[in-house]
Amino acid sequence: AQTVTQSQPEMSVQEAETVTLSCTYDTSESDYYLFWYKQPPSRQMILVIRQEAYKQQNATENRFSVNFQKAAKSFSLKISDSQLGDAAMYFCAYRSAGNYGGSQGNLIFGKGTKLSVKP
Amino acid sequence: DTGVSQDPRHKITKRGQNVTFRCDPISEHNRLYWYRQTLGQGPEFLTYFQNEAQLEKSRLLSDRFSAERPKGSFSTLEIQRTEQGDSAMYLCASSLASGARSNQPQHFGDGTRLSIL
Repeated sequence: AQTVTQSQPEMSVQEAETVTLSCTYDTSESDYYLFWYKQPPSRQMILVIRQEAYKQQNATENRFSVNFQKAAKSFSLKISDSQLGDAAMYFCAYRSAGNYGGSQGNLIFGKGTKLSVKP
Repeated sequence: DTGVSQDPRHKITKRGQNVTFRCDPISEHNRLYWYRQTLGQGPEFLTYFQNEAQLEKSRLLSDRFSAERPKGSFSTLEIQRTEQGDSAMYLCASSLASGARSNQPQHFGDGTRLSIL
């Protein structure tokens, strides 16, 4: 079974600075997707960025970028120029691609990292 | 795009009662997922539908839980004989899937927070 581990329960960053959130995962599959979701307090979960495992190039979305290391099964999120609105729980998630005879489509989440942004 | 809608936002009930939650996905989305999130944890998968067919159920979905998606539109999740351990946020998500491989992301609703007294 696949697992996702986020080893940092809480992180803090100064406004305008850069912060990196860690995520590792375990899988025997070669084809999958990885996601970072953001969940502000009492608000819905929204997608921040996604990465397809067959793509070597790291995904970027404005101030958000990932460092995808497939061999190491690592998928970290870098937030540049942090803003107060970035404060939230961040969840790393894994999803199988195609049909491996098992789960198809559902996300497997880590426990999350609570990010605080200091003004 | 009106987003994924869940109703109610909050539900408080006594242990042993039955509760039902509703989820309205984004209109063109053919896949619908239910997750459960307890305090301090990431969401855990419960079940998902492609159109009206329930394709997968997690072992977390005991026989007290049942989900339906009639006509492939909205979905309901019912919990019978609720227990203290059922207290959680129940999240619904939807996505558009085409073919065996689809990288379309799941869009989440605000969730229904269930509290068992």
